[in-house]
Amino acid sequence: EPEVTQTPSHQVTQMGQEVILRCVPISNHLYFYWYRQILGQKVEFLVSFYNNEISEKSEIFDDQFSVERPDGSNFTLKIRSTKLEDSAMYFCASRGEVVEQYFGPGTRLTVT
Amino acid sequence: AQSVSQHNHHVILSEAASLELGCNYSYGGTVNLFWYVQYPGQHLQLLLKYFSGDPLVKGIKGFEAEFIKSKFSFNLRKPSVQWSDTAEYFCAVSYTGTASKLTFGTGTRLQVTL
Repeated sequence: EPEVTQTPSHQVTQMGQEVILRCVPISNHLYFYWYRQILGQKVEFLVSFYNNEISEKSEIFDDQFSVERPDGSNFTLKIRSTKLEDSAMYFCASRGEVVEQYFGPGTRLTVT
Repeated sequence: AQSVSQHNHHVILSEAASLELGCNYSYGGTVNLFWYVQYPGQHLQLLLKYFSGDPLVKGIKGFEAEFIKSKFSFNLRKPSVQWSDTAEYFCAVSYTGTASKLTFGTGTRLQVTL
């Protein structure tokens, strides 16, 4: 069964550094999402991406964040200058024409 | 703002007990409703979904949920839980016209004891 994959599984970085989280969505999907879950809190929407542009973003998704689909398979989330409060689990999701989203295993980002 | 409430944060049940987890969402028009499960160390998996039609939906592993429009609720049920159902359960909703982003509840941690 096709699945969403994410790399790395765990990333440790220092405050102020840039990080890029990578996702490979399911191959025939058209809509892509990033969510995050701070430890002990709920899963929060960050951004949705369709037709090579952002279709919606949350208040969390400020100028420090960007997304890109650099080729036909990858979908990346970049955080330009990480803060301690960016420490969280980041989930990528994708979907096709049906509304149901499929989630990746997540990347645990630890900012020290 | 769109929101989802899950009333139970931590539920402990014995094996074979019945389960009902509450979920309410704020009004926002036409909704799609989901329950996701996250087993320890694993990623979010879809348990079941409601888009339209029969308000009683059946999912995987014997779970079902009932959509009650008048109560803005989508409660999850299972007649007899197993130890392997120990996990975190998330209710989520997407509203038509929002790029189908999911708004999640805070989650319910279910612990099933032998």
